Amino acid sequence: SAVISQKPSRDICQRGTSLTIQCQVDSQVTMMFWYRQQPGQSLTLIATANQGSEATYESGFVIDKFPISRPNLTFSTLTVSNMSPEDSSIYLCSYFDRLNYGYTFGSGTRLTVV
Amino acid sequence: AQKVTQAQTEISVVEKEDVTLDCVYETRDTTYYLFWYKQPPSGELVFLIRRNSFDEQNEISGRYSWNFQKSTSSFNFTITASQVVDSAVYFCALSEAVGGSGNTGKLIFGQGTTLQVKP
Repeated sequence: SAVISQKPSRDICQRGTSLTIQCQVDSQVTMMFWYRQQPGQSLTLIATANQGSEATYESGFVIDKFPISRPNLTFSTLTVSNMSPEDSSIYLCSYFDRLNYGYTFGSGTRLTVV
Repeated sequence: AQKVTQAQTEISVVEKEDVTLDCVYETRDTTYYLFWYKQPPSGELVFLIRRNSFDEQNEISGRYSWNFQKSTSSFNFTITASQVVDSAVYFCALSEAVGGSGNTGKLIFGQGTTLQVKP
């Protein structure tokens, strides 16, 4: 499986600001996913990001709040915009490995909004 | 719609006890995949197992075993002779086959079961 690197690993941000999280995969992958894990909760899918097309957002998530870029087959970013304390969560990126039918996850970004 | 239910929110056992984590799923697809992940306190997700819908054989890996029952839509996970290092949150997850019916292959997680193993 390809290696996926996610950064930053953690950040403390002021409310009203934005944070961009980056995920880099060391080989080309078609589908990437972004998840949010609120404190003590499960992982919730934010959006699916395919290269060359706009991200597909799940119910409850909108592009204005969580804009996603997917400029090529190895890279994606998620921006958390106009942050509030309710955005404090772990954000994880993931890609789908067709050959092994498996999912590899980044190490996560632990975001605290104050 | 897909759904994964892990009814046990928290389980506490004493070391060396056996423990079973329950997972019940819902899907309309005939081809799907089930997963278990472990999330230790450090936060990373550790892949444990994948099962496809056509393979109902139970699997054993060391102290871990999995029981897949399509008839009851369950995919339960048993840890034998639990150890303190098994303390973590365990997630069951479901993915429908990519491509069919427009499925994107997204992974849907259950709510997770927090396992605490006491010495």
